Amino acid sequence: SYELIQPPSVSVSPGQTASITCSGDKLRDKFASWYQQKPGQSPVLVIYRDDKRPSGIPERFSGSNSGNTATLTISGTQPMDEADYYCQAWDTSTAVFGGGTKLTVL
Amino acid sequence: QVTLKESSPVLVKPTETLTLTCIVSGFSLRNGRMGVGWIRQPPGKALECLAHIFSNDEKSYSTSLKSRLTISEDTSKSQVVLTMTNMDPVDTGTYYCAQVRELGAANWFDPWGQGTLVIVSS
Repeated sequence: SYELIQPPSVSVSPGQTASITCSGDKLRDKFASWYQQKPGQSPVLVIYRDDKRPSGIPERFSGSNSGNTATLTISGTQPMDEADYYCQAWDTSTAVFGGGTKLTVL
Repeated sequence: QVTLKESSPVLVKPTETLTLTCIVSGFSLRNGRMGVGWIRQPPGKALECLAHIFSNDEKSYSTSLKSRLTISEDTSKSQVVLTMTNMDPVDTGTYYCAQVRELGAANWFDPWGQGTLVIVSS
């Protein structure tokens, strides 16, 4: 079955740029989405179709997808961005999630 | 505004069947390529997609759980129902429903319901 691999944790200082990667076989041929989940809350879509940002999501969130790796980039990271982030793609009509990355802002 | 709401938290015994309902509002399950998916999350663990259904009755299931899952829709009630048989304590977690959005070959989940806690224990 298809797998998406994320680093378990990423740390960033406030105001700096955070990059979270998601790796999967030929991921570039699929479309990646990213979700933010804060403790006790439902996931929230922050990027869809590789690099599209839903309305209401700050411009500091951006996405890219090339080769086998999709990347979520948060520019000028703020303390409120501390959360778990999940990538997601579709493989043979089935949605697959990555294992999640805990972003710590310190 | 699109909203989804899962049925109330539930405690089930091992081997029992779980039935969850997702009530949707703000969009019609009859119209076009509208879809609803069920995703679960064990405590402290990652998200896992269980199943999804589109308004044309196209359905898809997790490969590993397919034999235990059934997803269906009641368009008259704007509900999507998920049943999961032979429940086990490892199935404990929060179960979410979410709208499946589509643009060309891309699909994503947005928005999500608040989630409902399912506990499997004797």
